[in-house]
Amino acid sequence: RKEVEQDPGPFNVPEGATVAFNCTYSNSASQSFFWYRQDCRKEPKLLMSVYSSGNEDGRFTAQLNRASQYISLLIRDSKLSDSATYLCVVNSFRGSARQLTFGSGTQLTVLP
Amino acid sequence: EAGVAQSPRYKIIEKRQSVAFWCNPISGHATLYWYQQILGQGPKLLIQFQNNGVVDDSQLPKDRFSAERLKGVDSTLKIQPAKLEDSAVYLCASSPPRAATNEKLFFGSGTQLSVL
Repeated sequence: RKEVEQDPGPFNVPEGATVAFNCTYSNSASQSFFWYRQDCRKEPKLLMSVYSSGNEDGRFTAQLNRASQYISLLIRDSKLSDSATYLCVVNSFRGSARQLTFGSGTQLTVLP
Repeated sequence: EAGVAQSPRYKIIEKRQSVAFWCNPISGHATLYWYQQILGQGPKLLIQFQNNGVVDDSQLPKDRFSAERLKGVDSTLKIQPAKLEDSAVYLCASSPPRAATNEKLFFGSGTQLSVL
């Protein structure tokens, strides 16, 4: 089983739609969680951290369910500029090192 | 603030040849990472440095890959000899030294390697 699993998509949605991405992780000792965004042929960039209480940044809402080892990202009122690959990232210890493990990403295309 | 610098941007080689990638992290960032990203997959950690020491190289194919960060600043990743399956984007990233913020990675633009 992969450490971090995501639905690869692609998700094709019209402008203004609400879309949700899910991610599961296998290491119950994982400590922190993130969503990164990667545009085509570009490097990944941090979108937002994910907290147990859930957190919101504008049109983006991230939630964590530690019991189910599940992370979600909700995008409301989708914009064309939201088209990208969204990477679920989990921070856990591997030996003595803290390491970020990336999922394979979910591809989103917002259509006009 | 200058970002993470990587070179070259693109590299095309034939299998069994050698190749080296260079990375200069953001000034003051103690932790440096090399990731391999194969098309359609997420980045996979190859090696993690803390200053000039290796923290984790468990996923580095040591029979052909090597990396160094001799002075704790810039780093070089080498592949010798290259295989077809090494075709990927090699991403360098760095993170700040404070524990509260070292989970945010700053990535370079990457080196796209094609092995023919």
